[in-house]
Amino acid sequence: AQKVTQAQTEISVVEKEDVTLDCVYETRDTTYYLFWYKQPPSGELVFLIRRNSFDEQNEISGRYSWNFQKSTSSFNFTITASQVVDSAVYFCALSEDTGRRALTFGSGTRLQVQP
Amino acid sequence: AAGVIQSPRHLIKEKRETATLKCYPIPRHDTVYWYQQGPGQDPQFLISFYEKMQSDKGSIPDRFSAQQFSDYHSELNMSSLELGDSALYFCASSPETGGREAFFGQGTRLTVV
Repeated sequence: AQKVTQAQTEISVVEKEDVTLDCVYETRDTTYYLFWYKQPPSGELVFLIRRNSFDEQNEISGRYSWNFQKSTSSFNFTITASQVVDSAVYFCALSEDTGRRALTFGSGTRLQVQP
Repeated sequence: AAGVIQSPRHLIKEKRETATLKCYPIPRHDTVYWYQQGPGQDPQFLISFYEKMQSDKGSIPDRFSAQQFSDYHSELNMSSLELGDSALYFCASSPETGGREAFFGQGTRLTVV
């Protein structure tokens, strides 16, 4: 069965620090999709990125970057020069191609960025 | 761009009452998912529909049912509400093919008192 583990429950940093959120996944499918979502205090789930299992290229979007490594089943998320507005709960999630297509979420990492 | 619309945004019900949550997916998205997020928890998959047919079932209680209508909107019906049903309920829609990004609605916060 599929599983997503976010071992960091809560991280607190000071503004302008870099921070990396870890995500480790388990799946038997050879084709799968990995996601990151941001959930600010207002509660909505904001889509950040999707990666499929055949695309191991790292991605950078502004201050955000993602490192996907199939060898270690990890999909880590780094925020560079963090800002107070980055404070939120961040969820990593997995969708399988032939197994469960609905998202299986990790337990989330609460990021607090102090001014 | 059109997003996933959920209504109502907030709902307060008493124990043993029923509640109906509605979801209007993004146009041309053929798959709808329902998730339940308890306080401090991650979203848990309840049920999904593809082209108006139930496609997968997660941890949905027997007291809950859902359907997708001909106009693709979906409703989650919850009966005999319990205090533990208090949660944020999300609907998400995605295209079956292609990127499969799941776009979420803003959620319905259900409080059972």
